[in-house]
Amino acid sequence: DAGITQSPRHKVTETGTPVTLRCHQTENHRYMYWYRQDPGHGLRLIHYSYGVKDTDKGEVSDGYSVSRSKTEDFLLTLESATSSQTSVYFCAISESVRRKNTEAFFGQGTRLTVV
Amino acid sequence: GNSVTQMEGPVTLSEEAFLTINCTYTATGYPSLFWYVQYPGEGLQLLLKATKADDKGSNKGFEATYRKETTSFHLEKGSVQVSDSAVYFCALSDLDYGQNFVFGPGTRLSVLP
Repeated sequence: DAGITQSPRHKVTETGTPVTLRCHQTENHRYMYWYRQDPGHGLRLIHYSYGVKDTDKGEVSDGYSVSRSKTEDFLLTLESATSSQTSVYFCAISESVRRKNTEAFFGQGTRLTVV
Repeated sequence: GNSVTQMEGPVTLSEEAFLTINCTYTATGYPSLFWYVQYPGEGLQLLLKATKADDKGSNKGFEATYRKETTSFHLEKGSVQVSDSAVYFCALSDLDYGQNFVFGPGTRLSVLP
């Protein structure tokens, strides 16, 4: 199994509070991603990173920010949590070989509930 | 932009039945194609992949062929088992066009004994 650890695995927080989710990898892969998974929407990309301090927005980035200060860590912050951000969050990593992406390896997910 | 369409299901089959889950894609370039599986309470796991036209990916009795002419990557298995019950996601990736992974909506499969 690819070395990806998400923390926490479960969290309940109150509306309006900031929340940070952490993704840690031991594979030294270049690309890291944050997705959210909701019924009826499949997986939607929030933000991704293509190197240390290099990040870009995905399709549902509003209300989220990310940081990557080290290759192995990718943090997702909900600046002021809302009930619409209740979801399961997945981190993923991948590498590129000769301009082809390898498969994405996924973490176990973080279930976030905003009350 | 690139996109993936797949049958959403749910699909319910009896054990040992033949499985097909359709997946079609829209892409500007020549993406790599993937099938992922998600079991309850877990993250997605790679099931199989293909990186160029006419490649066949296979794993655990599942297979899919990269068809450029029909822009399809249908998943098939000749005889499903109860343990195959899961959600299956088709996905593409095309770094040449700045596209990381784009996923279909997922297809829930239930296999009855």
